[in-house]
Order: sequence, then C-alpha cells, then structure tokens
Amino acid sequence: GAVVSQHPSRVICKSGTSVKIECRSLDFQATTMFWYRQFPKQSLMLMATSNEGSKATYEQGVEKDKFLINHASLTLSTLTVTSAHPEDSSFYICSAISWRSYNEQFFGPGTRLTVL
Amino acid sequence: AQTVTQSQPEMSVQEAETVTLSCTYDTSESDYYLFWYKQPPSRQMILVIRQEAYKQQNATENRFSVNFQKAAKSFSLKISDSQLGDAAMYFCAYRREYGNKLVFGAGTILRVKS
Repeated sequence: GAVVSQHPSRVICKSGTSVKIECRSLDFQATTMFWYRQFPKQSLMLMATSNEGSKATYEQGVEKDKFLINHASLTLSTLTVTSAHPEDSSFYICSAISWRSYNEQFFGPGTRLTVL
Repeated sequence: AQTVTQSQPEMSVQEAETVTLSCTYDTSESDYYLFWYKQPPSRQMILVIRQEAYKQQNATENRFSVNFQKAAKSFSLKISDSQLGDAAMYFCAYRREYGNKLVFGAGTILRVKS
C-alpha cells in the first residue's frame, strides 16, 4: 500500500514551452502533497505544499508563476513548469501524506526534466 | 528554524562490514520525529527507519539501527552486515510532532566495496 506514481518519468522539451508533471496516490487519499526539486548529488529542496481544494503554499524563493501547482483531487496533484528554460532542468519529486500512517510521506519515483 | 546536518559527504564500507552515518540536528522543540531515507541510483526515496523523540529506545529495522542521543541532538544510522544493495545516498530528516514538512540534511553517499 501507499504507492505514489509520477508521470512522465522523463521529459525533454524546448525552451519556452510548458511542461506538466502529474503526481498520483494510487491506493490512498492524500490531502497533502509536496513537490521537491533535486539537483545531482544534492538534497531535496521543498518547493511547495499542495493541499486538496486550496491554493498551494510555496517556499521562499520559489516563483509561483513559474511553477504552477494544482491539487484537483485527493489523489492527484500537478506541477506545471511554465515557459521552461534550461535552468529549470532538474529532477522533480512529489510526495503524498497518508493520514493513516501518522503523516508519513510517501515519495513518487521522480521526473527528470531536461529543457533544451 | 530546524536544521539537519550530515557532516560526511561520502562514506565507504566493505561488504559484510558495519558502517555508521552521522546526523545532528538543531531544534528547540521537545517532541518530533527523525528519519533516515535511502535514495538508490533509481532515485526512489525509501524510508529506512523512523524514531519518535519521546521514545528512549533506539529504533531498529533488521540490519539498520539508530543511536538516538536526544540531549546531544544526534541521530546516527548504523548499517550492519553491509550489502552491495545498500549503496545509495542516505538522508537524515526531521519533522515536527504536529507538522508534516520534512527538513532534510545534505545527504551522505555510501559506497559498498566487494
């Protein structure tokens, strides 16, 4: 149980285009999901907290208009990178909280974004 | 604000040997949770072990155990009988008792030699 999926696993896009990444909790309802960014051999950097039915809360320094987050249902949150540029290339990871597991975060497998 | 420090960027261990990864943290709270996560080359984050601060007993999960020193704010991970599959990046993380955000350390790359 407590499986989180991400789609796509890899995406390559041209500079200036927008890319959407989906995060789904497959076997539980997640009222809260998180989006992280990770550079090679570095730690996870929290970008935003996504709550179902409300606006996401962004961490300081994260551009809200660049990284659009929508938590449309209890099992789906999406991250859209708008007008992507090469500096947005990174590994993006989502996680979801299962209240049944005492707020433990379950992580998705990540999405590698490459912007050409 | 809470901080988590992992002072060992890289560690190596011989297969079947024991290795200890260090983690210290800073908090003014008395109740919280501490975690060790493993991130193998696949980059899937895997929970290794969890420790509740109010528990004095150190958590253990098979070959993985922790040395939790609350007064010293230290939370080290011991891996016994190291296996090749243990090679990964390990992250120490902190969470407030009633919070849901994780604060991660910088990570330690563990290499296992055969």
